[in-house]
Amino acid sequence: GAGVSQSPSNKVTEKGKDVELRCDPISGHTALYWYRQSLGQGLEFLIYFQGNSAPDKSGLPSDRFSAERTGGSVSTLTIQRTQQEDSAVYLCASSLVGVYEQYFGPGTRLTVT
Amino acid sequence: KQEVTQIPAALSVPEGENLVLNCSFTDSAIYNLQWFRQDPGKGLTSLLLIQSSQREQTSGRLNASLDKSSGRSTLYIAASQPGDSATYLCAVGETSGSRLTFGEGTQLTVNP
Repeated sequence: GAGVSQSPSNKVTEKGKDVELRCDPISGHTALYWYRQSLGQGLEFLIYFQGNSAPDKSGLPSDRFSAERTGGSVSTLTIQRTQQEDSAVYLCASSLVGVYEQYFGPGTRLTVT
Repeated sequence: KQEVTQIPAALSVPEGENLVLNCSFTDSAIYNLQWFRQDPGKGLTSLLLIQSSQREQTSGRLNASLDKSSGRSTLYIAASQPGDSATYLCAVGETSGSRLTFGEGTQLTVNP
């Protein structure tokens, strides 16, 4: 079946602009995660959604970052007033409840100029 | 706070060699441990998942072991091939369904 998909694959934006990154999880996966991978920082957790529960936002680096998940499926990560340090690859993953094996999408490479 | 360490950071071996990648974590109260492969410019591919109650998992030429009490996991790759060249990441899941905490990875090069 189809894996996790993300769009766009690449995004170049000017400092100060807002960006939206999209994630389509594997069908039937109720858990969805966002991570960020940047040089020198490795892979870091951002936010986690599970079903109708309140999301775990503890990894969001600032209040410029927010995410929502509509209808228990598609998720959007929004970064407001982008800064150069936001440049990274943003990865989305999904999993089945119970097993929690995470499957990752190809990522969105964000470059802030 | 959970910390995950992978040793070595880089490894270069000739084709056909068996090899072991190491992962250690500081908090043994984990839910599961997952090994991934990442090719340059690509996302992560899940290789093996070990639940906290398990000791090992096998898939083809790959075998992952888990010693929760000592905070260690190893990934064994048998009869390595050039196509195995990639970065291998170890990640620990701490509570049911929660975030993964990643190591920095081991960059593996298998030379023909």
